[in-house]
Amino acid sequence: DQQVKQNSPSLSVQEGRISILNCDYTNSMFDYFLWYKKYPAEGPTFLISISSIKDKNEDGRFTVFLNKSAKHLSLHIVPSQPGDSAVYFCAASAQQGSTLGRLYFGRGTQLTVWP
Amino acid sequence: NAGVTQTPKFQVLKTGQSMTLQCAQDMNHNSMYWYRQDPGMGLRLIYYSASEGTTDKGEVPNGYNVSRLNKREFSLRLESAAPSQTSVYFCASRNIWSGNTIYFGEGSWLTVV
Repeated sequence: DQQVKQNSPSLSVQEGRISILNCDYTNSMFDYFLWYKKYPAEGPTFLISISSIKDKNEDGRFTVFLNKSAKHLSLHIVPSQPGDSAVYFCAASAQQGSTLGRLYFGRGTQLTVWP
Repeated sequence: NAGVTQTPKFQVLKTGQSMTLQCAQDMNHNSMYWYRQDPGMGLRLIYYSASEGTTDKGEVPNGYNVSRLNKREFSLRLESAAPSQTSVYFCASRNIWSGNTIYFGEGSWLTVV
């Protein structure tokens, strides 16, 4: 039973446009959310995170939005660049309870940015 | 800057063979993790160790064992490899009390024939 879902396995965007990657979660105990980026033959690398006390966090071209009532978060990349082409994983964790210490990952979205 | 180091990077095993994947981190993190990544399945947690001396099962623990040897090292053992364990394995670590960011190793590609 997947607690973190990325329903779009792939996304194709033209260079310079906005990329929007979506993520839904089911566990209301989740209170911290992260996005990871993965290139082929490399380990995932941390991109940006957001705590449940916020609804937006920005870092350069990357912004994450959190809608707690909808249990939905999204990653916006503006402007998109060819080097952003990678698999993006959404992850969630709960700071309390029996699952403390675990990150739950979605299945990933392959972003392709074309010139 | 080593971060999380895992070995070997590539391995081919025959069905029934055993092997151990090694992982070490130099960031003084207290929690360590083993994930596997399969096409279309994302990153699935095999086992984790929230702190030195403890280990817990994740989503897909069957066929694996782990050892938290000390604070730095967390190994994953396949006692009798099966073709279903062909995957890319990632070790990761984080400091659970000072942030949620997990840092990953570069991966170990395992093929079981």
